[in-house]
Amino acid sequence: DTEVTQTPKHLVMGMTNKKSLKCEQHMGHRAMYWYKQKAKKPPELMFVYSYEKLSINESVPSRFSPECPNSSLLNLHLHALQPEDSALYLCASSQGQGADYEQYFGPGTRLTVT
Amino acid sequence: GENVEQHPSTLSVQEGDSAVIKCTYSDSASNYFPWYKQELGKRPQLIIDIRSNVGEKKDQRIAVTLNKTAKHFSLHITETQPEDSAVYFCAATRNYGQNFVFGPGTRLSVLP
Repeated sequence: DTEVTQTPKHLVMGMTNKKSLKCEQHMGHRAMYWYKQKAKKPPELMFVYSYEKLSINESVPSRFSPECPNSSLLNLHLHALQPEDSALYLCASSQGQGADYEQYFGPGTRLTVT
Repeated sequence: GENVEQHPSTLSVQEGDSAVIKCTYSDSASNYFPWYKQELGKRPQLIIDIRSNVGEKKDQRIAVTLNKTAKHFSLHITETQPEDSAVYFCAATRNYGQNFVFGPGTRLSVLP
């Protein structure tokens, strides 16, 4: 299996809802990432996990809460989001963290906050 | 933090011509510079990368050059084909993925 998968593909949620995005890879990669991409903009790094521990948090608001239950799975828990949080959320993984390792991206979850 | 600029924002070329996209970065500690291609509605995919101890790297029709002194790097695509049409992002980061920042992107259109 050489893919990063993400579920759901699309998600619409209200500002008071709680939802979660899921990312999975079975390539044995030990680093996993969350990015946010607004339309016609580049991806912005949110979080990096390395060996299931949070390694980088790019000053993301606490309404986004990442979780890495095991080396294959990465979740992003969402609570009390704002309409401006609507975006494509991309997950990526790499063999290790850092410049020596290529990141493989998932197809993304398109999130709309109403 | 790192700041990456990218030019041009849009680029149209005739099939078979070359395309050049240029990026500059601000963090002198950045030492890894990947380039990603993102087709409409699809995920970003790494097409080539370069590290700071190398000045140039080539992979078939794609090449990247790096001038660390001037803090700029460029993507060169030769013999462009319609399937090269996409948004191209440059990026810069330090050794362990700190300050991983993408440029704003270049929309390349290859006209048949």
